[in-house]
Amino acid sequence: NAGVTQTPKFQVLKTGQSMTLQCAQDMNHNSMYWYRQDPGMGLRLIYYSASEGTTDKGEVPNGYNVSRLNKREFSLRLESAAPSQTSVYFCASRVGQSLGYTFGSGTRLTVV
Amino acid sequence: RKEVEQDPGPFNVPEGATVAFNCTYSNSASQSFFWYRQDCRKEPKLLMSVYSSGNEDGRFTAQLNRASQYISLLIRDSKLSDSATYLCVVNDDAGGTSYGKLTFGQGTILTVHP
Repeated sequence: NAGVTQTPKFQVLKTGQSMTLQCAQDMNHNSMYWYRQDPGMGLRLIYYSASEGTTDKGEVPNGYNVSRLNKREFSLRLESAAPSQTSVYFCASRVGQSLGYTFGSGTRLTVV
Repeated sequence: RKEVEQDPGPFNVPEGATVAFNCTYSNSASQSFFWYRQDCRKEPKLLMSVYSSGNEDGRFTAQLNRASQYISLLIRDSKLSDSATYLCVVNDDAGGTSYGKLTFGQGTILTVHP
């Protein structure tokens, strides 16, 4: 019953460092998503992948890149981290339009 | 105008109270609607979908008014364990075979006290 697995759970980066947030789902879902959640801002979509082989920008894509490695995995990369990217990052997946998301447990990222 | 707007609260109610949350959305082409629950420092979890005819799940009742672009959630007989943030969520109309993406309201904070 793993569902959506995100790694790491916590990370501290220095400004300018790079890192990749990993996400994998074992539910055979087609669509996968990356959101960030900030106080007072709610959940905002960074990138999404409607199906394997496709990716699209969301509301706040600047400073991020993504890779849909296969149907299971969807990674989010920060090439040069900035303090404004301090946030909680959630990966999610979905099987159908009438159904909601299943979320991972989140990655708490601090950029100093 | 935000795509999905909620009263952020906080709502502080005693156990056993009935509480209602409201939400409005701006995209008239939105097709699917949900309420999520998020506990402190946890991921959001699906509470219930919202159907045009209204639907109920135990103590929870969801209503949708497409003409007014309005969604509501009613919680009856509140429990301490209902304390959480409740997120109103709307599915954008993506067209074609894409599932589109979900847009989240900022959430309404509920605290149920003894």
